[in-house]
Amino acid sequence: DTEVTQTPKHLVMGMTNKKSLKCEQHMGHRAMYWYKQKAKKPPELMFVYSYEKLSINESVPSRFSPECPNSSLLNLHLHALQPEDSALYLCASSQEDQLQPQHFGDGTRLSIL
Amino acid sequence: AQSVTQPDIHITVSEGASLELRCNYSYGATPYLFWYVQSPGQGLQLLLKYFSGDTLVQGIKGFEAEFKRSQSSFNLRKPSVHWSDAAEYFCAVGAIKAAGNKLTFGGGTRVLVKP
Repeated sequence: DTEVTQTPKHLVMGMTNKKSLKCEQHMGHRAMYWYKQKAKKPPELMFVYSYEKLSINESVPSRFSPECPNSSLLNLHLHALQPEDSALYLCASSQEDQLQPQHFGDGTRLSIL
Repeated sequence: AQSVTQPDIHITVSEGASLELRCNYSYGATPYLFWYVQSPGQGLQLLLKYFSGDTLVQGIKGFEAEFKRSQSSFNLRKPSVHWSDAAEYFCAVGAIKAAGNKLTFGGGTRVLVKP
């Protein structure tokens, strides 16, 4: 069982839809991450939140909008996505005060029609 | 900038045989190294990590890895593979940026286990 919970597990949406991915952890971690993973590829970092503030944005298109409402939750708002955005989106968390391993959720499989 | 290379895209091994996965890194300072495993349809699970100290690191599921600074390598080993070890394995190097830590992953090695 993973300690990082992501919902939904699967999402199919049209290019004009607006949807959100959700991530929750209760390990007291203060750093949270969004990754995008295409098939047969490693995860690619999108965003890092540190103490609920956005600290790293890896030049992600504005159609992806992250939000960290509190220290346990991380959202990724999606709008006007393209077919090439279809991928597995992984959330992770870690302790912030030192370099500690990231704990990953099982991801949301996103398909854009 | 840091980088990680996993030279083997696929490895096929018989059940009960030993397994070694190669990982080479490039990093300007002391590296923080990780091995993760990903089963189909799931997220990444940490197998082991190296920060400092003993260069032979023990992990979960019977895995171990050896850090060799002279070779810039962090190879993963398991003495006897089980069918459940079939998965994708990622080596990663970590670096602390201004805020938050960033992982750079290798391309991954897919392990197939023959009965």
